[in-house]
Amino acid sequence: KAGVTQTPRYLIKTRGQQVTLSCSPISGHRSVSWYQQTPGQGLQFLFEYFSETQRNKGNFPGRFSGRQFSNSRSEMNVSTLELGDSALYLCASSSTVAGGNTGELFFGEGSRLTVL
Amino acid sequence: LAKTTQPISMDSYEGQEVNITCSHNNIATNDYITWYQQFPSQGPRFIIQGYKTKVTNEVASLFIPADRKSSTLSLPRVSLSDTAVYYCLVVNSGAGSYQLTFGKGTKLSVIP
Repeated sequence: KAGVTQTPRYLIKTRGQQVTLSCSPISGHRSVSWYQQTPGQGLQFLFEYFSETQRNKGNFPGRFSGRQFSNSRSEMNVSTLELGDSALYLCASSSTVAGGNTGELFFGEGSRLTVL
Repeated sequence: LAKTTQPISMDSYEGQEVNITCSHNNIATNDYITWYQQFPSQGPRFIIQGYKTKVTNEVASLFIPADRKSSTLSLPRVSLSDTAVYYCLVVNSGAGSYQLTFGKGTKLSVIP
């Protein structure tokens, strides 16, 4: 069974640009969540999608957005990039049904974004 | 919302048992505790999950006291390949929604 796939693995952008990251979940998983990982802040929850609907959102500005398609694949977008957005962006899929999450997440290898 | 605290780093010799404790003082009744392992340039990998008392699987044990304000991940007889960062995660769920709170991670270094 294929794992969670994230593309691209590495990318470099300049301030003010925007970026779109993609995540393909494990087959059959309908939940995709996104996380930002930095040395200073650790793993921080961005948002989660289930059946194309955003189910939950962390404490990030509106520049961070996402969506989920009917095949459960998800994208996240960061507009007007800032230097502080440099991070590893991880997505995770799970088989949870709406209304609960016991924390068993399957992570991809991440997309490392560098903002210059 | 549960806040988690765990040691920044730990060292251990090969073959020893390692215990990593995570504090989550304001854990709620419905919250689950999950531990993840992360190697450099990889995403975190699920290790074990529990609600209360003790849970054991083929790689680790998780001890949760009655008050559930902390949890301890126990790795038996560690090897060099266990060198990684370990995160505890508390999932606060209720009313059809939830919050995920990761600890800052504990960097375990296994020494030959």
